[in-house]
Amino acid sequence: SQQGEEDPQALSIQEGENATMNCSYKTSINNLQWYRQNSGRGLVHLILIRSNEREKHSGRLRVTLDTSKKSSSLLITASRAADTASYFCATDITMDTGRRALTFGSGTRLQVQP
Amino acid sequence: EPEVTQTPSHQVTQMGQEVILRCVPISNHLYFYWYRQILGQKVEFLVSFYNNEISEKSEIFDDQFSVERPDGSNFTLKIRSTKLEDSAMYFCARKRDTGRLFFGEGSRLTVL
Repeated sequence: SQQGEEDPQALSIQEGENATMNCSYKTSINNLQWYRQNSGRGLVHLILIRSNEREKHSGRLRVTLDTSKKSSSLLITASRAADTASYFCATDITMDTGRRALTFGSGTRLQVQP
Repeated sequence: EPEVTQTPSHQVTQMGQEVILRCVPISNHLYFYWYRQILGQKVEFLVSFYNNEISEKSEIFDDQFSVERPDGSNFTLKIRSTKLEDSAMYFCARKRDTGRLFFGEGSRLTVL
């Protein structure tokens, strides 16, 4: 089973529309993070939401976290062509060893049409 | 300015050859990670390295892989005998106290 799976796998919208991506996970988390990756580039951290938080905002980004459903969503409002990228959720978990690890999902490929 | 710099940006090698990928932190940090991403697939954890020792490693990180901090600054990932399936982007990342990771731009490895 995989920790942190996003859906949809791909999303195509028009500029100005909102984009919503979802992430589900299986084990308890310390926090959940969203990253963005332009094609062939490194991942860029967008936002972190702690396990005791339910919603967080950063500019046009809004992240929600429902620990009872083990799910999170990333909303990008008023999308722009420059938002075209892959978006990954990552779960910060404590392993059996007591150490922490950050596990990524498969990502959502967002295409914003100008 | 990037948090970490990775070299080479792209390496092509023959199957069975050894490859060394390098990660250079901007400042002296203790906690590093290596991840890999096969083209179009998920980002997979390989190994974390804390204070010059391996902290955690995944099942992908078998005996063919090793990590070192040879000069106390640069941080290397070595693949001893590359296989076709090792073709991927390899990302180095450093961790901030907040738990966020800052990634380098990656090294693309192509094994022929």
